Amino acid sequence: DVKVTQSSRYLVKRTGEKVFLECVQDMDHENMFWYRQDPGLGLRLIYFSYDVKMKEKGDIPEGYSVSREKKERFSLILESASTNQTSMYLCASSLETPVGHLHFGNGTRLTVT
Amino acid sequence: AQSVTQLDSHVSVSEGTPVLLRCNYSSSYSPSLFWYVQHPNKGLQLLLKYTSAATLVKGINGFEAEFKKSETSFHLTKPSAHMSDAAEYFCVVSDTASTGNQFYFGTGTSLTVIP
Repeated sequence: DVKVTQSSRYLVKRTGEKVFLECVQDMDHENMFWYRQDPGLGLRLIYFSYDVKMKEKGDIPEGYSVSREKKERFSLILESASTNQTSMYLCASSLETPVGHLHFGNGTRLTVT
Repeated sequence: AQSVTQLDSHVSVSEGTPVLLRCNYSSSYSPSLFWYVQHPNKGLQLLLKYTSAATLVKGINGFEAEFKKSETSFHLTKPSAHMSDAAEYFCVVSDTASTGNQFYFGTGTSLTVIP
């Protein structure tokens, strides 16, 4: 069974800190995604990657960057955390379409104070 | 352009009664469609998926959904609700014609099951 592991379940950071959210998948999936989830807004795509060292902006990339140096690992970076980045962050992976579906990690609840 | 509309943000049913969660989609191509469930403080789990095979799709935990192209709908149903079904449900459409970001999410339906 596919396992997507997010390194932290809960995280509290201060405004202005640089924050790293790590995600690892164990099924050799090509695609990896970072979403944020906020009440009433559903899931919004921040960045995705379809190959090592490849990245594409999603719907809300401002204030974030990503890194994919190895196929199994996809990191989300908040360069200078702000309070409006307090959210639930979900990592997912998938095989190439059309048959691939998203496999999610359990999420990281980030609070920026 | 692809989009998903979940017609109800909240649905409340009594235990043992049927569940209907509604989803309409817009897609320029032949879509793949998915339903995910999210329990509190958890990630999303796949319930079922439609990928151009049979239009009636059976998923886990007794859920099923029917793809209706003429109505651009993919409603999720279950004959008898259980307390453990209380969760957030997301309808997702996948654009099979593009690479990279293929998944488009609805805003979710919160299901409450009353004992």
